[in-house]
Amino acid sequence: AQSVTQLDSHVSVSEGTPVLLRCNYSSSYSPSLFWYVQHPNKGLQLLLKYTSAATLVKGINGFEAEFKKSETSFHLTKPSAHMSDAAEYFCVVSERNYGQNFVFGPGTRLSVLP
Amino acid sequence: ETGVTQTPRHLVMGMTNKKSLKCEQHLGHNAMYWYKQSAKKPLELMFVYSLEERVENNSVPSRFSPECPNSSHLFLHLHTLQPEDSALYLCASSRTGGDGYTFGSGTRLTVV
Repeated sequence: AQSVTQLDSHVSVSEGTPVLLRCNYSSSYSPSLFWYVQHPNKGLQLLLKYTSAATLVKGINGFEAEFKKSETSFHLTKPSAHMSDAAEYFCVVSERNYGQNFVFGPGTRLSVLP
Repeated sequence: ETGVTQTPRHLVMGMTNKKSLKCEQHLGHNAMYWYKQSAKKPLELMFVYSLEERVENNSVPSRFSPECPNSSHLFLHLHTLQPEDSALYLCASSRTGGDGYTFGSGTRLTVV
């Protein structure tokens, strides 16, 4: 069975500095991996996804993530944080291409300080 | 708008009330989901419908009753809820092929 670990429950950065949100996964098969963002009182929005194509995946709002099989990681990065990036971020793994077997990480809350 | 619409956005109900949450998608997706999001807890998968058949029920109490009349609509019928059921209820849809979920904005439910 697959699982997801988000190593930091809360990350705080200053505006204009880089963002790193860590995600490690466990999967018996080749996984699909996703990052979702949730702003306060909103639903979840897909940021980016990895589905066995290029290992460096670019998403919306300047975010990107790199799939590293040897490290079983899929960390989310952004070169320069913006105040509007403050939100909850969820890493998700799926082992099968059926859409019914998505496992969500516990989430990382990103705070951006002025 | 994401293409998945949930109504109402907010709901306050007493423990003896009966209400329903509605979810609608016109993305051509063939699977729909209900998730519960409580404060300081991970997202909890409640129900999964694939091609209008319920394929997963994660030990959800019977006071929650889902209904999927067609591939575009999903309901969650609520009755005799408890205060601990207060949460954000999220609907999502997807297409077989693993492209990821599309979420609605959620219904914020408060049980008093």
